[in-house]
Amino acid sequence: DVKVTQSSRYLVKRTGEKVFLECVQDMDHENMFWYRQDPGLGLRLIYFSYDVKMKEKGDIPEGYSVSREKKERFSLILESASTNQTSMYLCASSLRGAGYTIYFGEGSWLTVV
Amino acid sequence: GNSVTQMEGPVTLSEEAFLTINCTYTATGYPSLFWYVQYPGEGLQLLLKATKADDKGSNKGFEATYRKETTSFHLEKGSVQVSDSAVYFCALSDRAGGTSYGKLTFGQGTILTVHP
Repeated sequence: DVKVTQSSRYLVKRTGEKVFLECVQDMDHENMFWYRQDPGLGLRLIYFSYDVKMKEKGDIPEGYSVSREKKERFSLILESASTNQTSMYLCASSLRGAGYTIYFGEGSWLTVV
Repeated sequence: GNSVTQMEGPVTLSEEAFLTINCTYTATGYPSLFWYVQYPGEGLQLLLKATKADDKGSNKGFEATYRKETTSFHLEKGSVQVSDSAVYFCALSDRAGGTSYGKLTFGQGTILTVHP
């Protein structure tokens, strides 16, 4: 079974803190993604990576950065957390190319107070 | 750009009722189409997919047919169960320009609640 593991299910952080969300996949997938899920808005792509050390901005990259130093690991960084970043964050991975199934982790609920 | 529009929710049905969740899309190239399901407290999992026009994806009694002429990929099930209660997302992965990394564009999601 494909496994995408997000390190934290629930986090509470203070405004202005630096926040790291970690994601690991065990299927040797080239692609990794970070999505944000908000009610009524569906899932919106923050960043994705198609190879080690490569990254591309998604639809809503402002306020976020990412790191991919190893193929299996993709980190999302909130440089200075704000209350409007309170959300569910979903990591995903896939083989490269259209039509391949994207596999999701269970999500990380982040609350910024 | 690419976009996916799902029918407004939430949808509430009685057990054994027929389900349709509408999904239409706009894409610049030749998309693959997906339905993902999210059960309470969990991440998303693939329900079914179709990669070219007129393909039918099916799984767990759910079906959807890729209709290029109407740019639609409606989800149907003949008889829903309480255990089908979840959020359903329609999504596309575009192959415009011959290059694609397989990014998904999602609809806003439809909440389905099935009562006994």
